[in-house]
Amino acid sequence: AQRVTQPEKLLSVFKGAPVELKCNYSYSGSPELFWYVQYSRQRLQLLLRHISRESIKGFTADLNKGETSFHLKKPFAQEEDSAMYYCALLSGGYNKLIFGAGTRLAVHP
Amino acid sequence: GAVVSQHPSWVICKSGTSVKIECRSLDFQATTMFWYRQFPKQSLMLMATSNEGSKATYEQGVEKDKFLINHASLTLSTLTVTSAHPEDSSFYICSAETSNEGELFFGEGSRLTVL
Repeated sequence: AQRVTQPEKLLSVFKGAPVELKCNYSYSGSPELFWYVQYSRQRLQLLLRHISRESIKGFTADLNKGETSFHLKKPFAQEEDSAMYYCALLSGGYNKLIFGAGTRLAVHP
Repeated sequence: GAVVSQHPSWVICKSGTSVKIECRSLDFQATTMFWYRQFPKQSLMLMATSNEGSKATYEQGVEKDKFLINHASLTLSTLTVTSAHPEDSSFYICSAETSNEGELFFGEGSRLTVL
């Protein structure tokens, strides 16, 4: 079954601390994975996708097929990173996304 | 970036009535739009894929007669919750892709409360 698991509902860190938001997936084919972010009172927006291998706002995510993971990392968290983060898996064609439950990141001063 | 707008952002209705939610791509044409449902503190669950000029494709377990989707133009898809009941109360979100399997942009969501 195709599934995305984000084990942490809440991740609370202090400003400047490293951050890792965990994401594991279950998919039989070659996965295409994304991280979406939702800031307070704003709409969901794309943060990064693994095929582009880019770094956005200091965040990176590496696809590890052996561990079926796509963890989101940032070496030094900022207060403005506080948001809800969703890991998503592309299921088949037509941009059908399967979302994880989401992790709320709270960065404290 | 591209903008997707939903209307209304919040609607309260009586049980048994029908409610229509609109999803518009404001500055691009979207042949495909998606409708999601999000329960409080839970993830987004894909309800259906809406294709311009054809019938929507519903996910397993989603009642097509309950949630009517119409994608009459390249910039507008509508979701009608028919004969709404309190259990239909939820946050409904749409997304649209800019081109064939291009980037997805999300609407701000519509909160439905059925009394």
